[in-house]
Amino acid sequence: GAGVSQSPRYKVAKRGQDVALRCDPISGHVSLFWYQQALGQGPEFLTYFQNEAQLDKSGLPSDRFFAERPEGSVSTLKIQRTQQEDSAVYLCASSLSTGANEKLFFGSGTQLSVL
Amino acid sequence: TQLLEQSPQFLSIQEGENLTVYCNSSSVFSSLQWYRQEPGEGPVLLVTVVTGGEVKKLKRLTFQFGDARKDSSLHITAAQPGDTGLYLCAGAVGGGADGLTFGKGTHLIIQP
Repeated sequence: GAGVSQSPRYKVAKRGQDVALRCDPISGHVSLFWYQQALGQGPEFLTYFQNEAQLDKSGLPSDRFFAERPEGSVSTLKIQRTQQEDSAVYLCASSLSTGANEKLFFGSGTQLSVL
Repeated sequence: TQLLEQSPQFLSIQEGENLTVYCNSSSVFSSLQWYRQEPGEGPVLLVTVVTGGEVKKLKRLTFQFGDARKDSSLHITAAQPGDTGLYLCAGAVGGGADGLTFGKGTHLIIQP
């Protein structure tokens, strides 16, 4: 596809369940970012990949959050033992290169609701 | 942590009016981006400003980067219902592609 694709679009989990969120970036894009967006708030940075290397994971809220991009394209964000405070929209973005002024292309996000 | 404060948080005006939203920080940014986000969608980049004092125009939207590169404004002339959305500013500190710092956004509603 032409844009960043995220799946599932919606996810409902019971507290304590593990979830996996998928991001398909634009083909050829080097940089991939995950953001968390709470209702009515701006996105907050979670983690950043340059190709398959995870260069920054300082935004991950706890060790229950894990992200990978093993072949430098598709990325998965995994949340173990979900808690209610994990409920949010998880946005994935990609950019062609690694400069700070690069245009970020966002997916539509995965809305996670933890009951 | 660099904090970007956006104001106002909410703004509802009539079609045809002008408006300005602000993005302020105590930190210096190497560049600043403005995004617009509609419900159920990801943010879409509107503009990137890099140079202190820079002004960029995109049709009825005018973006300005402060001289000290700590603040920015977005001015919309003759607002239209299609301008409704969440406007986010995002700053980059260094020259690399590390995650942008986003403000909490301005929720803008343009009433017909």
